[in-house]
Amino acid sequence: GAVVSQHPSWVICKSGTSVKIECRSLDFQATTMFWYRQFPKQSLMLMATSNEGSKATYEQGVEKDKFLINHASLTLSTLTVTSAHPEDSSFYICSATSLAKNIQYFGAGTRLSVL
Amino acid sequence: AQSVTQLDSHVSVSEGTPVLLRCNYSSSYSPSLFWYVQHPNKGLQLLLKYTSAATLVKGINGFEAEFKKSETSFHLTKPSAHMSDAAEYFCVVGSTGFQKLVFGTGTRLLVSP
Repeated sequence: GAVVSQHPSWVICKSGTSVKIECRSLDFQATTMFWYRQFPKQSLMLMATSNEGSKATYEQGVEKDKFLINHASLTLSTLTVTSAHPEDSSFYICSATSLAKNIQYFGAGTRLSVL
Repeated sequence: AQSVTQLDSHVSVSEGTPVLLRCNYSSSYSPSLFWYVQHPNKGLQLLLKYTSAATLVKGINGFEAEFKKSETSFHLTKPSAHMSDAAEYFCVVGSTGFQKLVFGTGTRLLVSP
């Protein structure tokens, strides 16, 4: 299967700071990347869909100014949590796909803890 | 709108016994259905997928699932559980194959020696 790398795997930051999470497709060109959020013992909730070279499409209730998504190349998408607060603490997971793949390949996730 | 319901939050089995994880779906059109597994602190791994071909789908690690339209179910089974199967399992419904996945709430599988 395809490989999606997500970095960092764990980050702790102070309230008010910004955190950037990277998602890379290592062995294929990902025309579409997705960002999910998972609260403890809950399911994954789609935050946004990102197509290479265009603005991300955010799900209802997700603040686009809070969660900045950039998909500048076919192998890299970034999620920046701006001015993070403790309620932003969560597990963030990315996935990547392409027209040829027909399924989503997931990264290992990033655990964000905001103090 | 599409949705999935995983009927059990936890399932406990003994090693060597069969596994059944239940999933019901709701979709206004022919869905794509998936089962993913998540091991602690690891990403999701695709076990199997149904995309309107054979109703009995075989996946990795001995898992399989049967699509039953009349029951709107897509239960995951395995004849004999291994300790390494202990993980969180998600039933997922997708539109047009891979876009806009909707996840169930997950079933934690516990395997005892």
